[in-house]
Amino acid sequence: GQQVMQIPQYQHVQEGEDFTTYCNSSTTLSNIQWYKQRPGGHPVFLIQLVKSGEVKKQKRLTFQFGEAKKNSSLHITATQTTDVGTYFCAPGGSARQLTFGSGTQLTVLP
Amino acid sequence: NAGVTQTPKFRVLKTGQSMTLLCAQDMNHEYMYWYRQDPGMGLRLIHYSVGEGTTAKGEVPDGYNVSRLKKQNFLLGLESAAPSQTSVYFCASSYSGFHEQYFGPGTRLTVT
Repeated sequence: GQQVMQIPQYQHVQEGEDFTTYCNSSTTLSNIQWYKQRPGGHPVFLIQLVKSGEVKKQKRLTFQFGEAKKNSSLHITATQTTDVGTYFCAPGGSARQLTFGSGTQLTVLP
Repeated sequence: NAGVTQTPKFRVLKTGQSMTLLCAQDMNHEYMYWYRQDPGMGLRLIHYSVGEGTTAKGEVPDGYNVSRLKKQNFLLGLESAAPSQTSVYFCASSYSGFHEQYFGPGTRLTVT
C-alpha cells in the first residue's frame, strides 16, 4: 500500500467554522478513499476519488484530488456537532489493499 | 442484511492464552480484511483475503493467523496472546480491492 501523511492530527473548531484535513503522498496514487469514524464506532466509507483534479461534494463536505494525484483534501463548511469524529484518507496503490492514514480527529465545540 | 458482524465484542485474555475472532459478511464480497486500531496509529492491516481459501499478509501480521474456509467468514487467531496485542480489531469486506470497504463494529481485546 501507499504511505501517506495526514494533517492535522487533531483539530478543534467552534460550531459553524470550516474544517479541512489534508492527505499527502510522495508517490502518485491510483485512487483515494475517505472514511469517517465516530467516537466508539467503526469507519464508514464517505467517497472515492479516482481522476486527477477531481472534486466531489456531499452536502457540506467537499473532496478534492490533486492534479498530480499525490494529495487530497476534505473540507467541511460550517461544521456541526454531528461532524465530530476522525476522518481517514485511504489511498489505494494496489488492487488488493488500502493503507489508511493516521486520521484527523475533529472536535466541534458548541 | 446484517452487513459485517464480529464476535465477540469484548474479550479479556491473559498472556499466553489463545482465541479466535470471527467475522461474517452477508454481502457476497470476495475481499475481507482484518485491521487493528491503536490510539494515534490509525488502522493497520493485519491479514486479508481476496477469496475463499486464500489469505495474505498485511502490514502487521506477526502473532496472528487467519483462515477463510467459507466465503462469508474470515477468522483471526491469536495463538499466544501478548499485551502488545491489546487493541480494537476491525473486520471489513469489499466487492474488490477498488471498492469501498464495509466495516464491522469491532472487537475490543485486552491482554493482561
